[in-house]
Amino acid sequence: DTAVSQTPKYLVTQMGNDKSIKCEQNLGHDTMYWYKQDSKKFLKIMFSYNNKELIINETVPNRFSPKSPDKAHLNLHINSLELGDSAVYFCASSQELDQPQHFGDGTRLSIL
Amino acid sequence: QKEVEQDPGPLSVPEGAIVSLNCTYSNSAFQYFMWYRQYSRKGPELLMYTYSSGNKEDGRFTAQVDKSSKYISLFIRDSQPSDSATYLCAMSGNNYGQNFVFGPGTRLSVLP
Repeated sequence: DTAVSQTPKYLVTQMGNDKSIKCEQNLGHDTMYWYKQDSKKFLKIMFSYNNKELIINETVPNRFSPKSPDKAHLNLHINSLELGDSAVYFCASSQELDQPQHFGDGTRLSIL
Repeated sequence: QKEVEQDPGPLSVPEGAIVSLNCTYSNSAFQYFMWYRQYSRKGPELLMYTYSSGNKEDGRFTAQVDKSSKYISLFIRDSQPSDSATYLCAMSGNNYGQNFVFGPGTRLSVLP
């Protein structure tokens, strides 16, 4: 049983489109995250979401918005996609903030 | 100075060798110290974590944290070809998720 699952695994779309990535965790964790891993493999945190409290990395453009329908889900919406958004996006969860995280297998986003 | 520094490698060793992977960091607030393994096209997999200073052993893996030197290490004994992956160190502090930082990763190849 997959602990943190993301869909879709691959997403190819054109500049200017709006897209969403879904994430679900079945670990009973209280905190979920979104990360971006660029072509140089750097993992950078984008958002933390804990008990309805959203913590945003200030470098993330406001075209990116997380949405959490419940504790087990944290989806990522991206508006007006740009070429520079091409990357692998990882969802993760942990029991509490700052504790070790468990990752999904990523969504590979390619902007044409 | 970057918050977390890690030699990106690549590091190639023969099967059976002892591997030493290291990270240095600058933020003394970090409390959790983690090592992740990432295979190609997969998400980071949590290998080990330590809270505060000290050593932790799990099978062939040993993690060490020296907070006075701001230095952490992961040792892999009797390395196997299946250990070939990118190893990322990560650290977090009591600063609400914003302070969760990954190193850039070290690519390890274990040659049969």
